[in-house]
Formats: sequence, C-alpha cells, structure tokens
Amino acid sequence: GAVVSQHPSRVICKSGTSVKIECRSLDFQATTMFWYRQFPKQSLMLMATSNEGSKATYEQGVEKDKFLINHASLTLSTLTVTSAHPEDSSFYICSARAAGTRTGELFFGEGSRLTVL
Amino acid sequence: ILNVEQSPQSLHVQEGDSTNFTCSFPSSNFYALHWYRWETAKSPEALFVMTLNGDEKKKGRISATLNTKEGYSYLYIKGSQPEDSATYLCASNTGTASKLTFGTGTRLQVTL
Repeated sequence: GAVVSQHPSRVICKSGTSVKIECRSLDFQATTMFWYRQFPKQSLMLMATSNEGSKATYEQGVEKDKFLINHASLTLSTLTVTSAHPEDSSFYICSARAAGTRTGELFFGEGSRLTVL
Repeated sequence: ILNVEQSPQSLHVQEGDSTNFTCSFPSSNFYALHWYRWETAKSPEALFVMTLNGDEKKKGRISATLNTKEGYSYLYIKGSQPEDSATYLCASNTGTASKLTFGTGTRLQVTL
C-alpha cells in the first residue's frame, strides 16, 4: 500500500522556538494532504488542508500564522509551529489522499509528538 | 447526531472471543464512512471505506456494516487474536467537503 513518512516522531523544544514537521508520500503523488492534532483522550482534529502549489485551508480556530503549512511539491508537506508554547504540546499527524477521489482512504504518517518546555 | 461518536471507548476481550463496536455519525449529507485500525507507534491503517446504505465489507476476520439512514456502522471482529489489539477509528465524510471527521476511537485489547 501507499506509504507516508512523517518526522520527527518526537521533538522537545523550548518555549519560543519554532519546530518543523515533515510529511512525505513515498510512492505516490499527494495533491492534498491533511494535518491533524490530537490531545489526550480526544479525537483527531483537522487543523488544515494542504494543497500542492496553493495556500492551505485552515479550520476555524486554527491560527494560520502560528501553524505554517507549505506544500511545495506533490510528495512533501511541512507544518511549522512558530514560537511554540507549552499549550502547543500535542500529537500532530498528517495524512494524504490518493489523487482522483474524495471518498478514498487516507494514508497516514506515523505522527509527531511535540513537547514544548 | 452532530459529531462522530464511537462506543465503547475501550474493550478488553480474551483470545477467540468475537466482538463488535459502534460508530454513530450524522446521517444528513452523508458521503462516506471510513474505518481505520491504529496500532501503537504505527500509522493508522485503512480497513474499509463504505458509501452505500446496507453495504457490508469484509477483510479476513473483520467485517463492517453501514446504515446511512439512521447514521451508524458496526465493526465486527470474529475470533479475536492478540494482534487485533489496536485502536479502531471511524470517520465520516459528509456533504461536499472532502475532509473527514473522526470519532475518538475504540481501544481493543485482546489477551491470551
């Protein structure tokens, strides 16, 4: 099946620093990638939809200047948490949809656990 | 129902037991229902994508049914094995939006 690689899997940073998380589709082209965040005992919450070559679409309540998303190629999307604070500590996971379908299954990365001290 | 809800939150069964979980989702503007299996420290893996009312899908010992009119889906595991231990997520794709709304998952633990 299709493989999505995400890293780093874990990152610890100091408050005020920026952290970049990468999401790569290894064996298929992903015109659309999705970024989710999961707090303990909660569901995966969609943060933004990333479209190759265009600006990301952010969900209500998600600050676009705080969570910068870049989808410069058909195989790579990045999420940068800028000026991270302890409340940004969470589990972040990306997924990609195979081209040509809206109902098709998503292929997920392994997720990244961010801890901001 | 406004959100995707799953029950139970967790389940502990013995090897060989059969079990099932429920996913409830908004029935209006339904487009598709997804089931994923998520093992610890791994990526969620797609099990089924279901679109038609009355649909039933099967993969090995795992099967799922779909009722779009009343907004629920069941996932069944026959003869549970320890390797079935995982969190099972369902997600609904509604209206014209292409994004998925996830439930909180059912965490299954199968012991010997």
